[in-house]
Amino acid sequence: NAGVTQTPKFQVLKTGQSMTLQCAQDMNHNSMYWYRQDPGMGLRLIYYSASEGTTDKGEVPNGYNVSRLNKREFSLRLESAAPSQTSVYFCASSEGWGPDTQYFGPGTRLTVL
Amino acid sequence: RKEVEQDPGPFNVPEGATVAFNCTYSNSASQSFFWYRQDCRKEPKLLMSVYSSGNEDGRFTAQLNRASQYISLLIRDSKLSDSATYLCAVPPNSGYSTLTFGKGTMLLVSP
Repeated sequence: NAGVTQTPKFQVLKTGQSMTLQCAQDMNHNSMYWYRQDPGMGLRLIYYSASEGTTDKGEVPNGYNVSRLNKREFSLRLESAAPSQTSVYFCASSEGWGPDTQYFGPGTRLTVL
Repeated sequence: RKEVEQDPGPFNVPEGATVAFNCTYSNSASQSFFWYRQDCRKEPKLLMSVYSSGNEDGRFTAQLNRASQYISLLIRDSKLSDSATYLCAVPPNSGYSTLTFGKGTMLLVSP
């Protein structure tokens, strides 16, 4: 089991460029999440998908879109990157919705110049 | 009160010491709590779950104090490898029903 995988590991963008962060899990989990982590700010939820076919906004959704492609995959898209989106992005998954344990991917380090 | 609060530290302790962290929360109805460990530049990894009766796993003990609304993590006989940031996670008070993570407490264990 690979658990939760994310691609790419690192990315540098220029302001205004777009990109998609990919996430996949092989644990047959129903729920998936995207977080960003910035120094001093902790983990902040961007979007989540409680189950296949549904997505909802989290705490900091502005500037992002998501797609739950199938049960395994949950992608995060930056349509027009801004320097404020420089961060480490973590994808996570959990078996069920609510207070279930979340398992994290290795993260994507994104720098927007 | 913020939903989840942790002392950011760092807690500097020598090898072999016992150290404890607290995490205060504002949702008195919470049933499930978790402690995660995050190494520098790595993803958070589940350390242990905390339920009403607490939990012990080797040198690690997690307790829940419902009356005062906090969970604690006790590490005995600290090792150099315990150096990391420890995040607590609790269900939120309202809105979307998923975990809210604390900002973490940094532990540095020195020789």
